[in-house]
Amino acid sequence: KQEVTQIPAALSVPEGENLVLNCSFTDSAIYNLQWFRQDPGKGLTSLLLIQSSQREQTSGRLNASLDKSSGRSTLYIAASQPGDSATYLCAVPLTSGSARQLTFGSGTQLTVLP
Amino acid sequence: DGGITQSPKYLFRKEGQNVTLSCEQNLNHDAMYWYRQDPGQGLRLIYYSQIVNDFQKGDIAEGYSVSREKKESFPLTVTSAQKNPTAFYLCASSSLGAGRSSYNEQFFGPGTRLTVL
Repeated sequence: KQEVTQIPAALSVPEGENLVLNCSFTDSAIYNLQWFRQDPGKGLTSLLLIQSSQREQTSGRLNASLDKSSGRSTLYIAASQPGDSATYLCAVPLTSGSARQLTFGSGTQLTVLP
Repeated sequence: DGGITQSPKYLFRKEGQNVTLSCEQNLNHDAMYWYRQDPGQGLRLIYYSQIVNDFQKGDIAEGYSVSREKKESFPLTVTSAQKNPTAFYLCASSSLGAGRSSYNEQFFGPGTRLTVL
């Protein structure tokens, strides 16, 4: 059974700092990996989706990498801003049974201090 | 605007009462999903549907029921059999790629917070 772990559970950084969020998964036979952002009491906003054939995806100040063989993904946020404060979740689709079920990590709660 | 809407935003349920959460999408997506989120945890799949009039159980379907009579709508009923229903419920949708094992990006609604009184 796929398990997804996110470390750290919470992170607090001063504004302007570059930071890395980690996501690890136990079954490396994944189709892709998706990073989401969740603001308190809100739904999820998709940030980046990396296909299994890709190693990186970039969107603005965000860069996500994927290393299937080691079962890891990182989300790099450059020049962090207070508006980046949110919970960041990673998720992978199951590769057995229906491929459309997502397994989520428990998230990293990020606080960027002004 | 294309997107996913959920209603109500907040819902209160008395013990022994069934309640229904609404989810509508105008993205022309074939697949729709219901997830439950508990504090400090990731999302867990309750039910999903890939086509009208068909749906499958997820990891925590007990105490829940769904219907898919229209492509745009996927309501979730939380029944009295669900012993711990207080949680944040999220609906999502996605297109379907070619082939059984394909996967497409899921888009989420704003959520419904259910509280048992």
